[in-house]
Amino acid sequence: AQSVAQPEDQVKVAEGNPLTVKCTYSVSGNPYLFWYVQYPNRGLQFLLKYITGDNLVKGSYGFEAEFNKSQTSFHLKKPSALVSDSALYFCAVRDISNDYKLSFGAGTTVTVRA
Amino acid sequence: DGGITQSPKYLFRKEGQNVTLSCEQNLNHDAMYWYRQDPGQGLRLIYYSQIVNDFQKGDIAEGYSVSREKKESFPLTVTSAQKNPTAFYLCASTLREGENTIYFGEGSWLTVV
Repeated sequence: AQSVAQPEDQVKVAEGNPLTVKCTYSVSGNPYLFWYVQYPNRGLQFLLKYITGDNLVKGSYGFEAEFNKSQTSFHLKKPSALVSDSALYFCAVRDISNDYKLSFGAGTTVTVRA
Repeated sequence: DGGITQSPKYLFRKEGQNVTLSCEQNLNHDAMYWYRQDPGQGLRLIYYSQIVNDFQKGDIAEGYSVSREKKESFPLTVTSAQKNPTAFYLCASTLREGENTIYFGEGSWLTVV
């Protein structure tokens, strides 16, 4: 079975400071890993994904994520956070050996204070 | 514009009624999904369909039904058997093969009154 864990319910940072949102995963085969962001009462917006290749993936709005196979982690990062980055962030894993189902973590609420 | 359209955005249901949430996509995607979102619980998979006229149960299918008669449409019916249907429902779609991203609609709020 595949699963995703986001160990922090909330992350709070000051504007201009680095932002990190943690994610660990478990799959039986090779994972496809995704990060999504959700604003209130909206659908999920795709930020970035890791499929293969370079472990550091760059995505939308200045976000990046680092794939670490040994630690089964895929942490989301942004060097300098903005107030507008305040939202709910979801990590997701797609197991290509399991009917392409996408499993989500519980989400992390990010608050960036001015 | 290409995308995934969910309707209605807000829906109220009386106890004992069935309601149907619409999901239409014009992205020519093969696979479509329905997720339920409750506060603090992330997204849970209700049903998914990888091709027309075929669909599979997800993790919380009880009390829900779907159909996939057309590639672009994947409606979800919340039946009276679903005991706690108040939630935010999200439809998604993707190309079936490869590492393609799953894209989401804007969601539908269902409230039982």
